[in-house]
Amino acid sequence: DGGITQSPKYLFRKEGQNVTLSCEQNLNHDAMYWYRQDPGQGLRLIYYSQIVNDFQKGDIAEGYSVSREKKESFPLTVTSAQKNPTAFYLCASSIGSRAGPDTQYFGPGTRLTVL
Amino acid sequence: KNQVEQSPQSLIILEGKNCTLQCNYTVSPFSNLRWYKQDTGRGPVSLTIMTFSENTKSNGRYTATLDADTKQSSLHITASQLSDSASYICVVSAGPNTGFQKLVFGTGTRLLVSP
Repeated sequence: DGGITQSPKYLFRKEGQNVTLSCEQNLNHDAMYWYRQDPGQGLRLIYYSQIVNDFQKGDIAEGYSVSREKKESFPLTVTSAQKNPTAFYLCASSIGSRAGPDTQYFGPGTRLTVL
Repeated sequence: KNQVEQSPQSLIILEGKNCTLQCNYTVSPFSNLRWYKQDTGRGPVSLTIMTFSENTKSNGRYTATLDADTKQSSLHITASQLSDSASYICVVSAGPNTGFQKLVFGTGTRLLVSP
């Protein structure tokens, strides 16, 4: 898992509530990412940020929001607008290389369950 | 449509035996191909990464091959150990080989090494 931490490991939420997942990295990486993993499916990109104070939508951004106020932090908020939020959420970071393949390093994940 | 398909879906082998996992992809433009290992309930960990010009890459008992002409890759595990039990995910990067790279994830092969 490298120097990426996610908290909490397990999270339970009632329908209609917003919840924020934490992601912190001490690798001095410029780029950070949020993915969602569902059984039988490949990881899907929710949001990514290549630099502080900037972020872009991924393939499934609806119902999610992010912020990137500090280089080491990239929190993800799952809003009540997300229709099916129960999933395993993975945060990743990378150097943001401008000169070659850019390996993404993943955190340990947060399993969110909506009750 | 960019796709990564892996086979088999699951595999059981005896400890000490070898095995080979397959990955076929239709991703354009191709940038690089990565294999990740994911333990249950944890984040994926990078094993290998290969660019277009590389056709083999090793990491200990793991050897990945790439045939860019047939768009196929394989991951060979030698002398398997119980700790190799995990999901192995093939990931193909689309786009330029620098900067942000769009990753296309396979659904993984779940490997169980039995004593």
